[in-house]
Amino acid sequence: EIVLTQSPGTLSLSPGERATLSCRASQSVSSSYLAWYQQKPGQAPRLLIYGASSRATGIPDRFSGSGSGTDFTLTISRLEPEDFAVYYCQQYGSPSTFGGGTKVEIK
Amino acid sequence: EVQLVESGGGVVRPGGSLRLSCAASGFTFDDYGMSWVRQAPGKGLEWVSGINWNGGSTGYADSVKGRFTISRDNAKNSLYLQMNSLRAEDTALYHCARGSASDGDYVGSFDYWGQGTLVTVSS
Repeated sequence: EIVLTQSPGTLSLSPGERATLSCRASQSVSSSYLAWYQQKPGQAPRLLIYGASSRATGIPDRFSGSGSGTDFTLTISRLEPEDFAVYYCQQYGSPSTFGGGTKVEIK
Repeated sequence: EVQLVESGGGVVRPGGSLRLSCAASGFTFDDYGMSWVRQAPGKGLEWVSGINWNGGSTGYADSVKGRFTISRDNAKNSLYLQMNSLRAEDTALYHCARGSASDGDYVGSFDYWGQGTLVTVSS
């Protein structure tokens, strides 16, 4: 199975700053089958990005995804107060696997 | 509005069984693959099992293979997870999630999630 490693574990930033989150796969992710999710405490995950770079319905354009092969990035161009949360990457080959998450916290 | 509502969680002893259900509404259920994803307390997400639109194709994580069985009843707009031989490490919040694949496969990202049902395995 493909192991996803997310870094950093925690990102401390201020509102308005740029956030760059990394997801590295142990082997190539086929057809860019890579998604990103946001999860806030007590809530279910929310799909942000699929296919490595396509925004899901209703997701603001400050969220963008990039990458291919084994290296993927989620960028939040300017952090809004509601963006402080935990972010997970997922590869959806078979079996699907998730990364361990990156917590974006207020500095 | 798409809604996924899980039920059936509870406290069970090691070695015991439990059947989870997920009631779907607000979309054409038999157009979509579905999955179960779990989250142990304070931990990350783990895909558990998936099923395609007609139940003809299923998949399981190695950690549950041979113990869990996924199924669906399209006439009842419902997804199920039969969990046998439960272990302490199966303790988690179990979410059902809708697959976003256009061909109804379970392999894909998850565009809608339920709030989850808590399973606690403890003696």
